[in-house]
Amino acid sequence: AQKVTQAQTEISVVEKEDVTLDCVYETRDTTYYLFWYKQPPSGELVFLIRRNSFDEQNEISGRYSWNFQKSTSSFNFTITASQVVDSAVYFCALSSGAGSYQLTFGKGTKLSVIP
Amino acid sequence: DTGVSQDPRHKITKRGQNVTFRCDPISEHNRLYWYRQTLGQGPEFLTYFQNEAQLEKSRLLSDRFSAERPKGSFSTLEIQRTEQGDSAMYLCASSRGGAQETQYFGPGTRLLVL
Repeated sequence: AQKVTQAQTEISVVEKEDVTLDCVYETRDTTYYLFWYKQPPSGELVFLIRRNSFDEQNEISGRYSWNFQKSTSSFNFTITASQVVDSAVYFCALSSGAGSYQLTFGKGTKLSVIP
Repeated sequence: DTGVSQDPRHKITKRGQNVTFRCDPISEHNRLYWYRQTLGQGPEFLTYFQNEAQLEKSRLLSDRFSAERPKGSFSTLEIQRTEQGDSAMYLCASSRGGAQETQYFGPGTRLLVL
């Protein structure tokens, strides 16, 4: 069975601070895919990034960066110089590479950026 | 591309009534998914279609739930004899499939069963 754990339920930071959202996953698959989604108050899940299990390169996109470490089964997400618009619930998700495409989500981390 | 659309956005119903939700995927996306999200939780997978074929169903999808995707385009999710425990956000996602399988979500339908 697959499992995603986001241990941080809620985080509050002051604007311009950096913040890291943790994600730990469990899977028996050798090939799998990891995702981060953002859910603002409007409710729509917005895709942020996809990472394949065979690609451990870290990625940076603007103020966002992701650190994938297979050795610790973690896929952490850092926002640099946070802004009020970053306030949302962030979900980490996992899908199998073995034919089932369903996403297994963590419970999410609610990020509040205070001006 | 227009995104995934869902209708209605909100639905209030009385216990025991039937409700039906519609999802229109991104055009040319052959895969369509339904998820359910309750307050404070991540979305949970319900079912998945490839074109018109329903290929996977979660055990969360009780006999009161049925989903269809006629002609492989839009999909409907029907809940019969609604219960208060069905109150949730119902999310639809679609994907193109292939090596870069990524699901794009619609705005959801929020259901409240009184």
